[in-house]
Amino acid sequence: DSGVTQTPKHLITATGQRVTLRCSPRSGDLSVYWYQQSLDQGLQFLIQYYNGEERAKGNILERFSAQQFPDLHSELNLSSLELGDSALYFCASSVAVPGAGTDTQYFGPGTRLTVL
Amino acid sequence: SQQGEEDPQALSIQEGENATMNCSYKTSINNLQWYRQNSGRGLVHLILIRSNEREKHSGRLRVTLDTSKKSSSLLITASRAADTASYFCATATSGTYKYIFGTGTRLKVLA
Repeated sequence: DSGVTQTPKHLITATGQRVTLRCSPRSGDLSVYWYQQSLDQGLQFLIQYYNGEERAKGNILERFSAQQFPDLHSELNLSSLELGDSALYFCASSVAVPGAGTDTQYFGPGTRLTVL
Repeated sequence: SQQGEEDPQALSIQEGENATMNCSYKTSINNLQWYRQNSGRGLVHLILIRSNEREKHSGRLRVTLDTSKKSSSLLITASRAADTASYFCATATSGTYKYIFGTGTRLKVLA
């Protein structure tokens, strides 16, 4: 158990819909990362937040957005869903001390999204 | 091709044998990390090697880093069936926290 929790575990929805994925980081971790893992794309970095602020952005679509709240939990919002958005979505957290160079990430169990 | 490419894509060995997988990357890095993922589950951090280190050990794991060749290798000695998983390397370009994971090596250890 990494200490990172994600809800829900599974989500099945239809094209055009909007969903919210939730992540609670490990106690004490200020940084949250979101990743998308699909069969043909591997693990793709989406976005990172540190203590409530966006720090790094990856291949995140404009239909997707995220935020980190004052209690450090994070939500990933996916809208206008398409079939191709079906994937495993992982959240990871880390201490992310700037400049320390030891940003080990602890991954949650993931949310499996199926868009029908 | 993306930063952090693992080679081979898949590897099948007998229990007790050693498994070696390689990772290549493209930019200057602060550190390189290896992760393991059991089928459909979250990734688990295995080991981190800093850019000024050349070799690191952790139990049955040995990681090397060659910054001149922009490559790293992960060696698992005396493999066990429980080592069956996908293994990913992850790098972040110096000065960023944007981690790039490779496509992984799928290791199968046969009992």
